[in-house]
Amino acid sequence: GQNIDQPTEMTATEGAIVQINCTYQTSGFNGLFWYQQHAGEAPTFLSYNVLDGLEEKGRFSSFLSRSKGYSYLLLKELQMKDSASYLCASMDSNYQLIWGAGTKLIIKP
Amino acid sequence: GAVVSQHPSRVICKSGTSVKIECRSLDFQATTMFWYRQFPKQSLMLMATSNEGSKATYEQGVEKDKFLINHASLTLSTLTVTSAHPEDSSFYICSAKTGGEVYGYTFGSGTRLTVV
Repeated sequence: GQNIDQPTEMTATEGAIVQINCTYQTSGFNGLFWYQQHAGEAPTFLSYNVLDGLEEKGRFSSFLSRSKGYSYLLLKELQMKDSASYLCASMDSNYQLIWGAGTKLIIKP
Repeated sequence: GAVVSQHPSRVICKSGTSVKIECRSLDFQATTMFWYRQFPKQSLMLMATSNEGSKATYEQGVEKDKFLINHASLTLSTLTVTSAHPEDSSFYICSAKTGGEVYGYTFGSGTRLTVV
Protein backbone atom coordinates (compact mmCIF):
# COMPACT_ATOMS: atom_id res chain seq x y z
CA GLY A 1 0.00 0.00 0.00
CA GLN A 2 0.92 3.64 -0.06
CA ASN A 3 2.10 5.23 3.15
CA ILE A 4 3.67 8.44 4.35
CA ASP A 5 5.11 8.65 7.87
CA GLN A 6 6.16 11.77 9.70
CA PRO A 7 6.24 12.68 13.40
CA THR A 8 3.03 14.02 14.84
CA GLU A 9 4.53 16.89 16.77
CA MET A 10 7.88 18.55 17.39
CA THR A 11 8.99 21.38 19.63
CA ALA A 12 11.90 23.70 19.02
CA THR A 13 13.30 26.97 20.31
CA GLU A 14 13.24 30.28 18.49
CA GLY A 15 16.50 30.83 16.62
CA ALA A 16 17.38 27.14 16.59
CA ILE A 17 17.36 24.52 13.82
CA VAL A 18 14.83 21.72 13.44
CA GLN A 19 14.69 18.76 11.08
CA ILE A 20 11.36 17.15 10.21
CA ASN A 21 11.67 13.66 8.77
CA CYS A 22 9.38 11.90 6.34
CA THR A 23 9.46 8.34 5.00
CA TYR A 24 7.32 7.30 2.10
CA GLN A 25 6.14 4.23 0.24
CA THR A 26 4.17 4.93 -2.91
CA SER A 27 3.31 3.19 -6.15
CA GLY A 28 5.89 4.82 -8.35
CA PHE A 29 7.51 8.12 -7.53
CA ASN A 30 7.37 11.50 -9.21
CA GLY A 31 8.69 13.72 -6.49
CA LEU A 32 8.38 14.68 -2.85
CA PHE A 33 6.67 17.85 -1.68
CA TRP A 34 6.72 19.81 1.54
CA TYR A 35 3.90 22.16 2.39
CA GLN A 36 3.36 24.50 5.32
CA GLN A 37 -0.11 24.79 6.80
CA HIS A 38 -1.11 27.27 9.46
CA ALA A 39 -4.16 26.41 11.52
CA GLY A 40 -7.38 27.00 9.61
CA GLU A 41 -5.60 27.82 6.38
CA ALA A 42 -4.81 25.96 3.18
CA PRO A 43 -1.35 24.49 2.64
CA THR A 44 1.31 26.59 0.95
CA PHE A 45 4.08 25.13 -1.17
CA LEU A 46 7.56 25.01 0.34
CA SER A 47 9.66 22.64 -1.74
CA TYR A 48 9.80 19.90 -4.33
CA ASN A 49 12.52 17.25 -4.66
CA VAL A 50 12.69 14.64 -7.38
CA LEU A 51 16.43 13.98 -7.43
CA ASP A 52 18.58 12.85 -4.52
CA GLY A 53 20.25 15.54 -2.53
CA LEU A 54 19.69 18.78 -0.71
CA GLU A 55 17.74 21.74 -2.07
CA GLU A 56 18.29 24.95 -0.19
CA LYS A 57 15.88 27.85 -0.29
CA GLY A 58 16.60 30.54 2.25
CA ARG A 59 16.01 29.34 5.79
CA PHE A 60 14.35 26.16 4.53
CA SER A 61 16.10 23.20 2.95
CA SER A 62 14.73 19.87 1.79
CA PHE A 63 16.57 16.61 1.31
CA LEU A 64 15.66 13.48 -0.59
CA SER A 65 17.03 9.95 -0.71
CA ARG A 66 15.03 7.91 -3.20
CA SER A 67 16.80 4.64 -2.36
CA LYS A 68 15.78 5.01 1.28
CA GLY A 69 12.32 6.46 0.64
CA TYR A 70 13.29 9.30 2.94
CA SER A 71 13.10 13.06 3.00
CA TYR A 72 13.59 15.78 5.54
CA LEU A 73 12.75 19.44 5.84
CA LEU A 74 15.33 21.54 7.63
CA LEU A 75 14.31 24.87 9.12
CA LYS A 76 17.04 27.21 10.30
CA GLU A 77 16.93 30.35 12.42
CA LEU A 78 13.47 29.46 13.61
CA GLN A 79 10.97 32.26 14.02
CA MET A 80 7.71 32.23 15.96
CA LYS A 81 5.80 32.50 12.67
CA ASP A 82 7.22 29.11 11.67
CA SER A 83 4.83 27.50 14.15
CA ALA A 84 2.61 25.49 11.82
CA SER A 85 1.99 22.02 10.51
CA TYR A 86 4.39 20.74 7.88
CA LEU A 87 2.96 18.27 5.41
CA CYS A 88 5.01 15.79 3.45
CA ALA A 89 3.47 14.49 0.23
CA SER A 90 4.74 12.02 -2.32
CA MET A 91 3.58 12.05 -5.92
CA ASP A 92 2.91 8.57 -7.23
CA SER A 93 3.11 7.15 -10.73
CA ASN A 94 -0.31 8.62 -11.57
CA TYR A 95 0.89 12.08 -10.52
CA GLN A 96 -1.42 11.85 -7.52
CA LEU A 97 -0.30 13.39 -4.24
CA ILE A 98 -0.25 11.05 -1.25
CA TRP A 99 -0.25 13.11 1.93
CA GLY A 100 1.28 12.52 5.32
CA ALA A 101 -0.70 13.48 8.40
CA GLY A 102 1.53 16.46 9.01
CA THR A 103 3.97 17.43 11.74
CA LYS A 104 2.86 20.13 14.12
CA LEU A 105 5.85 22.30 14.90
CA ILE A 106 5.70 24.31 18.12
CA ILE A 107 8.22 27.11 18.49
CA LYS A 108 9.02 28.30 21.99
CA PRO A 109 10.69 31.64 22.81
CA GLY B 1 1.46 33.64 -9.75
CA ALA B 2 -1.50 31.36 -10.16
CA VAL B 3 -4.35 32.03 -7.77
CA VAL B 4 -7.23 29.79 -6.82
CA SER B 5 -10.15 31.53 -5.16
CA GLN B 6 -12.36 29.42 -2.90
CA HIS B 7 -15.67 30.62 -1.52
CA PRO B 8 -17.11 30.69 1.08
CA SER B 9 -14.33 30.56 3.65
CA ARG B 10 -16.72 29.59 6.43
CA VAL B 11 -20.26 28.29 6.39
CA ILE B 12 -22.63 27.06 9.05
CA CYS B 13 -25.68 25.17 7.92
CA LYS B 14 -28.49 23.17 9.41
CA SER B 15 -28.52 19.42 9.21
CA GLY B 16 -30.33 18.23 6.10
CA THR B 17 -29.57 21.27 3.96
CA SER B 18 -27.13 21.51 1.05
CA VAL B 19 -24.05 23.66 0.78
CA LYS B 20 -22.19 24.68 -2.37
CA ILE B 21 -18.48 25.49 -2.34
CA GLU B 22 -16.93 27.23 -5.33
CA CYS B 23 -13.37 27.08 -6.52
CA ARG B 24 -12.20 29.44 -9.26
CA SER B 25 -8.89 29.71 -11.05
CA LEU B 26 -8.38 33.45 -11.46
CA ASP B 27 -5.62 33.84 -14.01
CA PHE B 28 -5.26 30.45 -15.61
CA GLN B 29 -7.36 27.66 -16.98
CA ALA B 30 -7.67 24.64 -14.73
CA THR B 31 -8.62 21.55 -16.66
CA THR B 32 -8.20 19.50 -13.49
CA MET B 33 -9.14 20.41 -9.96
CA PHE B 34 -8.89 18.34 -6.81
CA TRP B 35 -11.17 18.38 -3.80
CA TYR B 36 -9.79 17.50 -0.40
CA ARG B 37 -11.26 17.12 3.04
CA GLN B 38 -9.25 17.56 6.19
CA PHE B 39 -10.40 16.64 9.68
CA PRO B 40 -8.65 18.24 12.67
CA LYS B 41 -5.10 17.03 13.17
CA GLN B 42 -5.38 14.71 10.20
CA SER B 43 -3.97 14.61 6.72
CA LEU B 44 -5.53 15.97 3.58
CA MET B 45 -7.78 13.32 2.10
CA LEU B 46 -8.45 13.43 -1.61
CA MET B 47 -12.18 13.17 -2.22
CA ALA B 48 -12.37 13.51 -5.97
CA THR B 49 -10.67 14.73 -9.10
CA SER B 50 -12.70 17.11 -11.18
CA ASN B 51 -12.15 17.30 -14.92
CA GLU B 52 -13.61 20.06 -17.04
CA GLY B 53 -16.45 18.84 -19.19
CA SER B 54 -16.56 15.32 -17.81
CA LYS B 55 -17.64 13.44 -14.72
CA ALA B 56 -15.55 13.67 -11.61
CA THR B 57 -13.52 10.71 -10.42
CA TYR B 58 -14.28 9.88 -6.81
CA GLU B 59 -11.97 8.18 -4.38
CA GLN B 60 -13.01 4.96 -2.75
CA GLY B 61 -15.44 5.51 0.08
CA VAL B 62 -16.60 8.94 -1.08
CA GLU B 63 -20.31 9.06 -1.91
CA LYS B 64 -20.71 10.71 -5.28
CA ASP B 65 -24.41 11.33 -4.71
CA LYS B 66 -23.66 13.17 -1.51
CA PHE B 67 -20.70 15.19 -2.72
CA LEU B 68 -21.72 16.54 -6.11
CA ILE B 69 -18.93 17.96 -8.21
CA ASN B 70 -19.44 20.11 -11.26
CA HIS B 71 -16.64 21.42 -13.46
CA ALA B 72 -18.56 23.14 -16.20
CA SER B 73 -15.88 25.61 -17.25
CA LEU B 74 -12.12 25.85 -17.33
CA THR B 75 -12.13 28.27 -14.40
CA LEU B 76 -14.82 26.97 -12.08
CA SER B 77 -15.40 23.79 -10.14
CA THR B 78 -18.08 23.42 -7.47
CA LEU B 79 -18.56 20.94 -4.66
CA THR B 80 -22.07 20.58 -3.26
CA VAL B 81 -22.51 18.76 0.01
CA THR B 82 -26.08 17.48 -0.14
CA SER B 83 -28.23 16.70 2.89
CA ALA B 84 -25.40 17.68 5.17
CA HIS B 85 -24.98 16.01 8.55
CA PRO B 86 -22.81 16.98 11.53
CA GLU B 87 -20.25 14.34 10.55
CA ASP B 88 -19.72 16.26 7.29
CA SER B 89 -18.30 19.15 9.30
CA SER B 90 -14.75 19.52 8.08
CA PHE B 91 -12.27 21.70 6.25
CA TYR B 92 -12.70 21.39 2.48
CA ILE B 93 -9.90 22.51 0.19
CA CYS B 94 -9.66 22.65 -3.57
CA SER B 95 -6.50 22.53 -5.58
CA ALA B 96 -5.78 23.09 -9.24
CA LYS B 97 -2.98 22.16 -11.56
CA THR B 98 -1.44 25.34 -12.87
CA GLY B 99 -0.08 23.99 -16.09
CA GLY B 100 2.53 21.58 -17.32
CA GLU B 101 4.88 21.85 -14.35
CA VAL B 102 4.88 18.75 -12.21
CA TYR B 103 4.80 20.75 -9.04
CA GLY B 104 2.29 23.30 -10.27
CA TYR B 105 -0.43 22.74 -7.69
CA THR B 106 -2.14 25.73 -6.14
CA PHE B 107 -4.57 25.49 -3.27
CA GLY B 108 -7.68 27.48 -2.56
CA SER B 109 -7.97 29.08 0.86
CA GLY B 110 -10.28 26.37 2.16
CA THR B 111 -13.85 26.27 3.45
CA ARG B 112 -14.67 25.50 7.06
CA LEU B 113 -18.05 23.75 7.05
CA THR B 114 -19.95 23.34 10.28
CA VAL B 115 -23.22 21.43 10.23
CA VAL B 116 -25.43 21.98 13.25
